[in-house]
Amino acid sequence: AQSVTQLDSHVSVSEGTPVLLRCNYSSSYSPSLFWYVQHPNKGLQLLLKYTSAATLVKGINGFEAEFKKSETSFHLTKPSAHMSDAAEYFCVVSAFGGNRDDKIIFGKGTRLHILP
Amino acid sequence: GAGVSQSPRYKVAKRGQDVALRCDPISGHVSLFWYQQALGQGPEFLTYFQNEAQLDKSGLPSDRFFAERPEGSVSTLKIQRTQQEDSAVYLCASSSPREWGQPQHFGDGTRLSIL
Repeated sequence: AQSVTQLDSHVSVSEGTPVLLRCNYSSSYSPSLFWYVQHPNKGLQLLLKYTSAATLVKGINGFEAEFKKSETSFHLTKPSAHMSDAAEYFCVVSAFGGNRDDKIIFGKGTRLHILP
Repeated sequence: GAGVSQSPRYKVAKRGQDVALRCDPISGHVSLFWYQQALGQGPEFLTYFQNEAQLDKSGLPSDRFFAERPEGSVSTLKIQRTQQEDSAVYLCASSSPREWGQPQHFGDGTRLSIL
């Protein structure tokens, strides 16, 4: 079975400062991990994905995430926040194997607030 | 190219009415998923299709929920005798033929409000 925990429900940072959104996962199989962003009244947009290649993954809009197997973490970072980054962010785990290999599990989300 | 399209974007229904929500996936995408997103929560899995076959419906909350994809393309999620707790955003996602780690592409969702 797999699960994902987003450690903060809300994060506030000032514009121009670094962003850190934390995510821990558990999986019985080698997981794929994703970060999605959701702007108000919109669907989910893929930011980046990890699929057992490079552990440091670069995504769109300057975001990146590092897969750390020893810590079962996949934290999302960005060096400098922009006002347009204000949104809800979801960490997602998908496990390949068994008979549930296409089912993905969402975290509860972290709302990112950007202070001017 | 065109993304996942869902209709209607908003649906208001009275308790007890039946509703039908439509999802038009990206052309050529074999896998199609439905999720329910309650206010302030992350999406929760409802059901999954591979082509026309419904391979997993373990997330459907009750037998009032029914999904179909008869020709392996467009899918419809039907909710019978709606109740207030059915109020949520219903998201549809599709992905290309089964590959390791393939991400899902989401539509903008249908916001369902039950009065």
